[in-house]
Amino acid sequence: NAGVMQNPRHLVRRRGQEARLRCSPMKGHSHVYWYRQLPEEGLKFMVYLQKENIIDESGMPKERFSAEFPKEGPSILRIQQVVRGDSAAYFCASSPIRESETQYFGPGTRLLVL
Amino acid sequence: GNSVTQMEGPVTLSEEAFLTINCTYTATGYPSLFWYVQYPGEGLQLLLKATKADDKGSNKGFEATYRKETTSFHLEKGSVQVSDSAVYFCALDDGAGTALIFGKGTTLSVSS
Repeated sequence: NAGVMQNPRHLVRRRGQEARLRCSPMKGHSHVYWYRQLPEEGLKFMVYLQKENIIDESGMPKERFSAEFPKEGPSILRIQQVVRGDSAAYFCASSPIRESETQYFGPGTRLLVL
Repeated sequence: GNSVTQMEGPVTLSEEAFLTINCTYTATGYPSLFWYVQYPGEGLQLLLKATKADDKGSNKGFEATYRKETTSFHLEKGSVQVSDSAVYFCALDDGAGTALIFGKGTTLSVSS
């Protein structure tokens, strides 16, 4: 049973470009969570999605960031017009039900903005 | 709001030494508490958890007891190995089943 898959594992962008991060949840999991880990910091919750719905985006910056989890395909975290401060590790987690206790994490995407 | 505070690292130990990583929390209600481990270049793995006061979570020789009176969930291991070198995160859930709230992480380095 494959775990949570994220790609790319490393992404380099120049300021002003767009970054697209993909997350494929574990088989049978319909709940996806995105977290951001800034250097020397713990993970911070960004957004929680179910298939085709954003349930909680209270941790998402209001501008430039968006997330989706379509009926088919992976969840996408999109960052437009990236800035240096967006450099971080972005982790996706999935769970079979809405319960933080059963979140399984992917290996993360490390975004570097030059 | 809910928060987690854990001791700053890095923690450097020799193999077979005793490990304690302190974690305290602030929360309304009765959150579940977790320890996650992150090996270099990898995602977080759940190490152990406790869901109510006085519960003890344990796994791979690691233990932590949910102490409501001191709002603590300290991680301990009696004899660490080089393979335990990683970053350890204490976390609690937000009660709504949505988000985990993490501490800043403690880096453990074990030498032989």
